[in-house]
Amino acid sequence: DVKVTQSSRYLVKRTGEKVFLECVQDMDHENMFWYRQDPGLGLRLIYFSYDVKMKEKGDIPEGYSVSREKKERFSLILESASTNQTSMYLCASSAAPNTEAFFGQGTRLTVV
Amino acid sequence: QQQVKQSPQSLIVQKGGISIINCAYENTAFDYFPWYQQFPGKGPALLIAIRPDVSEKKEGRFTISFNKSAKQFSLHIMDSQPGDSATYFCAANHQKLVFGQGTRLTINP
Repeated sequence: DVKVTQSSRYLVKRTGEKVFLECVQDMDHENMFWYRQDPGLGLRLIYFSYDVKMKEKGDIPEGYSVSREKKERFSLILESASTNQTSMYLCASSAAPNTEAFFGQGTRLTVV
Repeated sequence: QQQVKQSPQSLIVQKGGISIINCAYENTAFDYFPWYQQFPGKGPALLIAIRPDVSEKKEGRFTISFNKSAKQFSLHIMDSQPGDSATYFCAANHQKLVFGQGTRLTINP
């Protein structure tokens, strides 16, 4: 059974903190993605990666960075958390760009 | 800018009825159009997908209709059931997957 695992379901952080969201997939997928989900806005792409050590900006990369040191792990970093980054964060992976993307269960981040 | 526009934002359908959700896109380079279903507390999961070389794809009660010239595609759920109550997202892909705003579907028993 395919699996994308996000390290935390719920997270509460203070404004200004550096926040790490971890994602691991066990399908040997090349491609990994980070989205944030907000009501009425759907899923918006933050960053994606087509290979180890490689990263590309999505539609809303400001205030975020990513790290992909190993194929199975893709980390999202909030350099200095702000209240407008309170959201649901979803990690996904796929074997190729035009194939099914598998999602994790999400991390609901609250920045206070 | 929203590259994929989805409507309606919410939809209530009686059990046994037909649920229809519409999406429109601008980028003619999109070449893969999936629909995802999301239940509360879960991540989205692929429901059905279509490529632009066909105008319709059916899987059980779920059908995608695709109009390439109008740059529109829609999801039809026949014989809608309470278990279909979920949020539905259309998406389009060209190098990266772009999602619509989502539709919260409620099927009344």
